[in-house]
Amino acid sequence: EIVLTQSPGTLSLSPGERATFSCRASQSFSSGSLAWYQQKPGQAPRLLIYGASSRATGIPDRFSGSGSGTDFTLTISRLEPEDFAVYYCQHYDTSPFTFGPGTKVDIK
Amino acid sequence: EVQLLESGGGLVQPGGSLRLSCAASGFTFSSSAMNWVRQAPGKGLEWVSGIHYSGGTTYYADSVKGRFTISRDNSKNTLYLQMNSLRAEDTAIYYCAKDSRAYTYGLLDHWGHGTLVTVSS
Repeated sequence: EIVLTQSPGTLSLSPGERATFSCRASQSFSSGSLAWYQQKPGQAPRLLIYGASSRATGIPDRFSGSGSGTDFTLTISRLEPEDFAVYYCQHYDTSPFTFGPGTKVDIK
Repeated sequence: EVQLLESGGGLVQPGGSLRLSCAASGFTFSSSAMNWVRQAPGKGLEWVSGIHYSGGTTYYADSVKGRFTISRDNSKNTLYLQMNSLRAEDTAIYYCAKDSRAYTYGLLDHWGHGTLVTVSS
């Protein structure tokens, strides 16, 4: 089973700032099968990024993903008020499709 | 517009059973793999199970293997999760999630709003 770790656990930032999150896998998966999801309080998760760097339909271009092997990064170039949420990475290389523990972005 | 509506959650005693349903619309259900993901109160996401478009192949997390059964009825556009031998640690919101491919791929492009399952005496 691939274990994903995310850092930091919490990120306190102001609107307009740049946010960078890290996701590290316990083993490499060459297919780049890494996704990022956003979850706001009381809502279901929403797919943001797939294939490590491709934006899902309707996702603004301030969201970008990068990385390969075991190290992946999600960047929000300029935080908007609606971006304060929890962000999860997930691999879909092979079953079980595990999630990281999440990074919470809150308002500083 | 893709819509996924879960139902069947509730309070159940340890050792009991429950069946969740997910009614799908807005896409060709019979051509999409489907999954269940759960989230314990205040915790992160845990993938639970996936099923191919035809229902012929299923996958489970080790934590539920042998106790939960995923199935689907393509004639009713409905996904199911039969949960037996429930434990307190199964308490969670259960989300139905559409897979991006016909075969269980694990990339979850649409989610329902979830149904709460509480296992307690």
